[in-house]
Amino acid sequence: SQKIEQNSEALNIQEGKTATLTCNYTNYSPAYLQWYRQDPGRGPVFLLLIRENEKEKRKERLKVTFDTTLKQSLFHITASQPADSATYLCALVMDSNYQLIWGAGTKLIIKP
Amino acid sequence: EAQVTQNPRYLITVTGKKLTVTCSQNMNHEYMSWYRQDPGLGLRQIYYSMNVEVTDKGDVPEGYKVSRKEKRNFPLILESPSPNQTSLYFCASSPLSAGAAVANYGYTFGSGTRLTVV
Repeated sequence: SQKIEQNSEALNIQEGKTATLTCNYTNYSPAYLQWYRQDPGRGPVFLLLIRENEKEKRKERLKVTFDTTLKQSLFHITASQPADSATYLCALVMDSNYQLIWGAGTKLIIKP
Repeated sequence: EAQVTQNPRYLITVTGKKLTVTCSQNMNHEYMSWYRQDPGLGLRQIYYSMNVEVTDKGDVPEGYKVSRKEKRNFPLILESPSPNQTSLYFCASSPLSAGAAVANYGYTFGSGTRLTVV
């Protein structure tokens, strides 16, 4: 069956360290993968998009990797800050219809 | 400011009473979509629209209707709400790039509508 999985348990990280979130998928062949941030009760906010032929993408303190062999994307926040605390969602974009398939998200808590 | 505006932000209603949640975007985006979000289930697409007068079902369309008479507006209609439609609803939009939605852009989401059906 097709699945997209993110860690369901909250990730607790000390301020200043690098936070790494995982997005795994099975039986999909996405053309793109996107990462969003969602604060409680608010709509998701787009952060980064990475294409299947790209290994890595960076934006300020954010880095995303995409391994189509492992069927995995890693999302890194370096020099993490309490303001980075939120739920982070990954979404697969299928080439066939360009619809997004969403993971359930991982809650990240950055402790001062 | 570029944004997607949803109204109302909170709504409590009774079973069977028709309601409409409005969604408007000011970015001239072709693509618009409605999602519901429930704990542990993630975002599930209800309906989407690639352009004016073009709508299509998402993963969970039962019990919902939409219309796209103008580019900026994409209302969600619940003709006869039931308690299992209690959820957090989001409208989202995106530009189309060479005919492909979200190929180079992410979605812009509204702030959400928390609906409770009793």
